[in-house]
Amino acid sequence: QMKLQESGPGLVRPSQTLSLTCSVSGASVSNYFHYWTWIRQRPGKGLEWVGYFYSSQSVHYNPSLGSRVTISVDTSSNTFSLRLTSVTAADTAVYFCASAGLDYYALDVWGQGSTVIVS
Amino acid sequence: ETVLTQSPGTLSLSPGDRAALSCRATQAVKKNYLVWYQQRPGQPPRLLIYGASKRATGIPDRFSGSGSGTEFSLIISSLEPEDFAVYYCQQHGDSPITFGQGTRLEIK
Repeated sequence: QMKLQESGPGLVRPSQTLSLTCSVSGASVSNYFHYWTWIRQRPGKGLEWVGYFYSSQSVHYNPSLGSRVTISVDTSSNTFSLRLTSVTAADTAVYFCASAGLDYYALDVWGQGSTVIVS
Repeated sequence: ETVLTQSPGTLSLSPGDRAALSCRATQAVKKNYLVWYQQRPGQPPRLLIYGASKRATGIPDRFSGSGSGTEFSLIISSLEPEDFAVYYCQQHGDSPITFGQGTRLEIK
């Protein structure tokens, strides 16, 4: 049974870089059976797709985040990470890591979420 | 970008009632790649329906999804107390992946 757990600083200064890690158990980030995904939810708002990593040749990001976002995988620690540069208060959100299978991009496993405040 | 609009914004019903939630897309969702999630307060979303009508593992059969093209719906046939939550639709037929703004299902 796959489990995901986010970790990272809860407070980031404006213009700095937000970095979060998702620890994966019960599956390997090095296989090609999952879309390793980040979703965020701003306070009182809906869900926003940030992006996913499928393989080094298949990484997709929300264009609304421009070139600020990077998602990467570390096979040695079985984790995947989110890096968001030049943050502003608008990046304050709960950040979820999640996983979808290959047949349908339906996020069936989620972490509990990590609250990040930019201030 | 495919914009998803959910209606109503808030739905006030009683346990035992039937709930009908709508998700409308600005363009046809390819291959009916439409997903529904439930989110309770303080919890991550929970997958309910994928492929517009396929129930995810462990989801009770009172939840059903239907629709195609630009019009999709989620029906909860008889509301249980734990069903009062926020529901989101999501499409992945087009990039970027997008979510609707959510429908809040509250106890009347």
